[in-house]
Amino acid sequence: NAGVMQNPRHLVRRRGQEARLRCSPMKGHSHVYWYRQLPEEGLKFMVYLQKENIIDESGMPKERFSAEFPKEGPSILRIQQVVRGDSAAYFCASSTGLAGTDTQYFGPGTRLTVL
Amino acid sequence: GENVEQHPSTLSVQEGDSAVIKCTYSDSASNYFPWYKQELGKRPQLIIDIRSNVGEKKDQRIAVTLNKTAKHFSLHITETQPEDSAVYFCAASTDTGRRALTFGSGTRLQVQP
Repeated sequence: NAGVMQNPRHLVRRRGQEARLRCSPMKGHSHVYWYRQLPEEGLKFMVYLQKENIIDESGMPKERFSAEFPKEGPSILRIQQVVRGDSAAYFCASSTGLAGTDTQYFGPGTRLTVL
Repeated sequence: GENVEQHPSTLSVQEGDSAVIKCTYSDSASNYFPWYKQELGKRPQLIIDIRSNVGEKKDQRIAVTLNKTAKHFSLHITETQPEDSAVYFCAASTDTGRRALTFGSGTRLQVQP
């Protein structure tokens, strides 16, 4: 049973370019969460999605950032016009969404470096 | 919103000793409290979690206690080993509605052989 998968694992972009990060949840999981981790810091929630729906985007910057989880395919976190401050590790997690037993499992992360 | 504070930020113990990490949370609606271990450059890995209907949970050398009245929970690691060295994060959330995990700032545990 494959775990949460993310690609690419490392991504280098120049300032002003776009970054696309992909996350495939564990089999049987329909809930996806994105978190950002700055160097030497903790994880900060960005956005929570179910298939075709954004449930909570309260942690995501209003400008330049967007997320989707289409009916088919992986969840995508998109960062437009990247700046140096976007350099971080971006982790996605997935869960079943079943109340009382819901547990988030994390993918290996995408390490974004903005030059 | 929820705020989670974690102490200490660094902890050094001798192999075989116990380690305790403490967290407090602010939102009384939170009812789910996981602990994650993160090694350098790796993903956060769930090591134990507790829900608000129990006060303590144990899994081999790891235990978590929860005091809902005081809004704090703790991670206890007994008989520490060098491979326990990592950064440990506590988190809090609700398991319905807004499920986002709010993380503490992390504790860097160093187990000296």
